[in-house]
Amino acid sequence: KNQVEQSPQSLIILEGKNCTLQCNYTVSPFSNLRWYKQDTGRGPVSLTIMTFSENTKSNGRYTATLDADTKQSSLHITASQLSDSASYICVVSEGTYKYIFGTGTRLKVLA
Amino acid sequence: DVKVTQSSRYLVKRTGEKVFLECVQDMDHENMFWYRQDPGLGLRLIYFSYDVKMKEKGDIPEGYSVSREKKERFSLILESASTNQTSMYLCASSLLRGGYGYTFGSGTRLTVV
Repeated sequence: KNQVEQSPQSLIILEGKNCTLQCNYTVSPFSNLRWYKQDTGRGPVSLTIMTFSENTKSNGRYTATLDADTKQSSLHITASQLSDSASYICVVSEGTYKYIFGTGTRLKVLA
Repeated sequence: DVKVTQSSRYLVKRTGEKVFLECVQDMDHENMFWYRQDPGLGLRLIYFSYDVKMKEKGDIPEGYSVSREKKERFSLILESASTNQTSMYLCASSLLRGGYGYTFGSGTRLTVV
């Protein structure tokens, strides 16, 4: 069964600290993997997208990695800010219309 | 940037009402999608459309229907709203298969009382 699992479910860190969110998937075939940021009550906004051949992609303080062999991805946030408080969702595409969503990691950054 | 606009941020409807959720995209995308998002369950696909007047059922189509009369507009219809349809509804669009250029709207928080 195609699945995307994210960990941890929730995370609290202090402003300025770094953190890493994990995404493990069993989706096959694999086309690409996206990380989204979703503020409370808003729609998800894309942070990064990676295909099979890419293993690192950055977007400002956000760096995503992909290990297609172990089917793992991580999202690293550097020097966290209060505005990073949100849910982060990992989404894997089979290359068709089907997208498999993780249930997200809820991050809270405290001052 | 692609813009996907959902007509309402918040809606409150009564049980049994017919409810229309509207979604419009401005980048000539072929594919449009409706999801619902519930705590602990993530996003679940209700319906999608890959062309005008074409539609496909997603994972949870029961109790919903859709309409795509124009390329830029994709409507979700709750024929007879029920309390278990209280949820966040998200519309998305994409140009190509596989998620490239896949953009979400801001969401509609629907409460059925």
